[in-house]
Amino acid sequence: EIVLTQSPDTLSLSPGERATLSCRASQSVGNYLAWYQQKPGQAPRLLIYDTFTRATDIPARFSGNGSGTDFTLTISNLEPEDFAIYYCQQGSIWPPYTFGQGTKLDI
Amino acid sequence: VQLQESGPGLVKPSETLSLTCTVSGGSLRENYWSWIRQSPGKGLEWLGYIYYSGSTDYNPSLKSRATISVDTSKNQFYLRLSSVTAADTAVYYCARGSTTWHLWGQGSLVTVSS
Repeated sequence: EIVLTQSPDTLSLSPGERATLSCRASQSVGNYLAWYQQKPGQAPRLLIYDTFTRATDIPARFSGNGSGTDFTLTISNLEPEDFAIYYCQQGSIWPPYTFGQGTKLDI
Repeated sequence: VQLQESGPGLVKPSETLSLTCTVSGGSLRENYWSWIRQSPGKGLEWLGYIYYSGSTDYNPSLKSRATISVDTSKNQFYLRLSSVTAADTAVYYCARGSTTWHLWGQGSLVTVSS
């Protein structure tokens, strides 16, 4: 099973700043890496898939990068609604498809 | 398209957990459909998926306890998880997709307790 390790566990920033979240895989997942945002009491929401591609209606301030084992999610110019928990997820090595433990983005 | 989970919120240990996901505003056809759960202890965990035609794949960690099925006439798909323990207490989500999930239900909390 591929283990995804996210860092940091918590990131404290202010609106208007840039957030950089990391995800490292225990073995290569190619470009099959996705990012989700979850707010309290809500289901996860897909932000980025296949490393770079923004999902429907996701603002351009969200961007993904990386390949193989090291990936980043960058949120430029943080908005108040961006403060949430972010998960990475690999869809490469089957089975199973796995998630990281999450990074909490704190205001 | 919207997804909605339904089923009992409380299941006794050793019994079978059964959930239904109803797809509204669109068809089950030509898509994969998944079950994912989230618990404080294990985080987010993919359980398995089904194609509308009925082919399935499961997370091996469930040790064959899970069964996913589909009824295209009702636009519903289902999860059955047998021999549950307290470790199966979680919020269960249904979602559209096989390896990446673009659309999720709101989630259904299932507690395993006597």
